Amino acid sequence: QVQLVESGGGLVKPGGSLRLSCRGSGFRFSDFYMTWIRQAPGKGLEWISNIVTTGSTVHYADSVKGRFTISRDNAKNSLFLQMDSLRVEDTAVYYCARDPGPYGEYGWFDTWGQGTLVTVSS
Amino acid sequence: AIQLTQSPSSLSASVGDRVTITCRASQGISTALAWYQHKPGKAPNLLIYDASSLQSGVPSRFSGSGSGTDFTLTISSLQPEDFATYYCQQFNSDPYSFGQGTKLEIK
Repeated sequence: QVQLVESGGGLVKPGGSLRLSCRGSGFRFSDFYMTWIRQAPGKGLEWISNIVTTGSTVHYADSVKGRFTISRDNAKNSLFLQMDSLRVEDTAVYYCARDPGPYGEYGWFDTWGQGTLVTVSS
Repeated sequence: AIQLTQSPSSLSASVGDRVTITCRASQGISTALAWYQHKPGKAPNLLIYDASSLQSGVPSRFSGSGSGTDFTLTISSLQPEDFATYYCQQFNSDPYSFGQGTKLEIK
């Protein structure tokens, strides 16, 4: 079945770096736009970044622009989020999600991973 | 950036009740709205897209309506598995954004 599995979360100090991964299975990964969304403790969902099928175009929320980098490796059915200059306020569960539009963007997300927790604390 | 405001923020209801959750956008977004159900420790689940289209596999007791700035999610007869937090999301313009959530609890 269609599935996304995140990994790479953990505890990191402010100013540190972390790289999240998301592996897709059960579908042709290279055909779909992919997105990272996060949820801080006790807060709602926040869209933070997306990437087109080829990886040639990416978008970021202002809250992470210049610090986070999204990328993908279609040969490995994988999505990544490189997080640098981490702040306490980046503490959250990070989800990867699939936009169901084949070859293009619909804008909503039909498949989500279970999430990976990132804790930024000294 | 477009802001989405959900009401109420929390809601107590009983099994069998009809429940309506509202999402208001800070500017018109046509029908570019989706609804999700989220349970603790689980992946969010897409319920509705394009404001009123039911996602495949979602029970028909869920329905969505609205356009422009005002939208509603209705659950016609609450089931025990429906107690969760619900979010709206706009995809009319970047950056995409979510409402703050409505927590639906058992009365």
